[in-house]
Amino acid sequence: NAGVTQTPKFQVLKTGQSMTLQCAQDMNHEYMSWYRQDPGMGLRLIHYSVGAGITDQGEVPNGYNVSRSTTEDFPLRLLSAAPSQTSVYFCASSYPGQGDNEQFFGPGTRLTVL
Amino acid sequence: GQNIDQPTEMTATEGAIVQINCTYQTSGFNGLFWYQQHAGEAPTFLSYNVLDGLEEKGRFSSFLSRSKGYSYLLLKELQMKDSASYLCVRMNRDDKIIFGKGTRLHILP
Repeated sequence: NAGVTQTPKFQVLKTGQSMTLQCAQDMNHEYMSWYRQDPGMGLRLIHYSVGAGITDQGEVPNGYNVSRSTTEDFPLRLLSAAPSQTSVYFCASSYPGQGDNEQFFGPGTRLTVL
Repeated sequence: GQNIDQPTEMTATEGAIVQINCTYQTSGFNGLFWYQQHAGEAPTFLSYNVLDGLEEKGRFSSFLSRSKGYSYLLLKELQMKDSASYLCVRMNRDDKIIFGKGTRLHILP
């Protein structure tokens, strides 16, 4: 199993550009989520999905869109990048009710918006 | 949101025991995770408590009191590699997972 994969690892954007951060998992996990982490801050939930075709907003959803057309993939779209979106983005997945409910994290995408 | 409170930083000595406390709002609460995060890396899972009481996993133990909105992570026989941030994380009944800001633990030789 590859676990949770994220691409790209690093990205630099100009203000106003759009892009998609990719996230995929091969563990057949129902639950997937996106977080951002800023210096000195905990992870903040952007969007999450409890299964294919279902998405919900987290704590900081503005400026981001998600879709969940398959169980495996959960892309995060930045519609019009702003410097305030400079952050490290983590994708995670889990299978609620299975074992310890452990969330598995991808390695992160480090995004800089100029 | 969700008012998860944990100390910002703690310092302990190699070989000692340290307890990291976490309090949270009980409304909408389902369960509590603890994660470890080393600088520049993704968080890694330590524990998940749903029921009251203490759960032990090797050198790490986690405690939960649902009625008090209180949890702690206990680390025994501290090693230098335990220097990291420890994240208190709540899972809500609406499936949202909310992270606290983390406690940065420094281990002194």
